[in-house]
Amino acid sequence: GAGVSQTPSNKVTEKGKYVELRCDPISGHTALYWYRQSLGQGPEFLIYFQGTGAADDSGLPNDRFFAVRPEGSVSTLKIQRTERGDSAVYLCASSLTRSNGELFFGEGSRLTVL
Amino acid sequence: GQNIDQPTEMTATEGAIVQINCTYQTSGFNGLFWYQQHAGEAPTFLSYNVLDGLEEKGRFSSFLSRSKGYSYLLLKELQMKDSASYLCAVMNNYGQNFVFGPGTRLSVLP
Repeated sequence: GAGVSQTPSNKVTEKGKYVELRCDPISGHTALYWYRQSLGQGPEFLIYFQGTGAADDSGLPNDRFFAVRPEGSVSTLKIQRTERGDSAVYLCASSLTRSNGELFFGEGSRLTVL
Repeated sequence: GQNIDQPTEMTATEGAIVQINCTYQTSGFNGLFWYQQHAGEAPTFLSYNVLDGLEEKGRFSSFLSRSKGYSYLLLKELQMKDSASYLCAVMNNYGQNFVFGPGTRLSVLP
């Protein structure tokens, strides 16, 4: 596609439920990033993929969070046993090369845990 | 550890010049980026500095001093549409990871 696509754009769930957020990066972009952003704050790094492998998952807050990118393109962020504190906008970004490293962001998935 | 600091909010007048500062301490350094984010929208790329000095791009310029861990974004001839949050981000060479600062919310007044 022309840009980074994220679905769903909005997700409301109840505490304790399981959630999956999907990211479809720009075609050919090998690097894919997940961030989450709370109101009035900067994006907080969660995980970075280079191809199919997670090159850096140091930002995942705990073992309830997991992400995959099985074919090196689409990625899914999975959150188990959601908590109210997980409510945020989850941003996905992709980039093509390392030299400039410009990130192209999707519009985000707004997660609300009631 | 990694730490990026920016002022929380700034206000300026249409047509004026504003400088948004960013200081950083990161594990390795492979470039500094500025992004613009309008309310409710995704961040968009503005500039990239990897060497010391000033990079100019139209009304926007960005400066970097690696020895001081300091950067600024300079916006000239401010327009109302420049009201947004400005995010400073550092790419560390440890994991090619981008660490973002808290963002500076700029309000441009008529």
